[in-house]
Amino acid sequence: DSGVTQTPKHLITATGQRVTLRCSPRSGDLSVYWYQQSLDQGLQFLIQYYNGEERAKGNILERFSAQQFPDLHSELNLSSLELGDSALYFCASSTRPADEQFFGPGTRLTVL
Amino acid sequence: AQKVTQAQTEISVVEKEDVTLDCVYETRDTTYYLFWYKQPPSGELVFLIRRNSFDEQNEISGRYSWNFQKSTSSFNFTITASQVVDSAVYFCALSEGGYQKVTFGTGTKLQVIP
Repeated sequence: DSGVTQTPKHLITATGQRVTLRCSPRSGDLSVYWYQQSLDQGLQFLIQYYNGEERAKGNILERFSAQQFPDLHSELNLSSLELGDSALYFCASSTRPADEQFFGPGTRLTVL
Repeated sequence: AQKVTQAQTEISVVEKEDVTLDCVYETRDTTYYLFWYKQPPSGELVFLIRRNSFDEQNEISGRYSWNFQKSTSSFNFTITASQVVDSAVYFCALSEGGYQKVTFGTGTKLQVIP
């Protein structure tokens, strides 16, 4: 158990819908990262927050957005969902940027 | 731009054999961090090691060892006396200093056959 929690574990929805994925980092970790893992794209970095502020952006679509709240939990919002958004979404946390990241169990999103 | 190449897509070894997983990276920064992660069939990602660009000392942790060579931009991972529990996908990753974007390689799937 990494100490990072993600909810929900599984999510099935339809194209065009909007979903919110939630992540609680390890106690004391200020950095939160979001990743997408799909068969064709591999493990892709989406976005990173540090203590509530966005610090780095990767291959995140404009339809996706994220934020980190004062209690340090983070949410990833995916809207206008397409079939290709079906993937495993991981959240990770670290104490400081560039420290080792500890990953949550992931949320498996299926878009039908 | 940073890039991580794991040329070995899949490797199969017989239990107790040694196996080396290759990782080659590209970066223009002089300060960067390299990582290895393991993803077993259960799906979670497990941190194995972090190395910064100023520390070229090789590291050994039990049956695992890592060889960092800046001259060849490689950070290879060796498992000695492999076990079935080592079967997983192994990812090498790079984070450039000052930025927090992390680039992962495509992973190497290791199958250890009993």
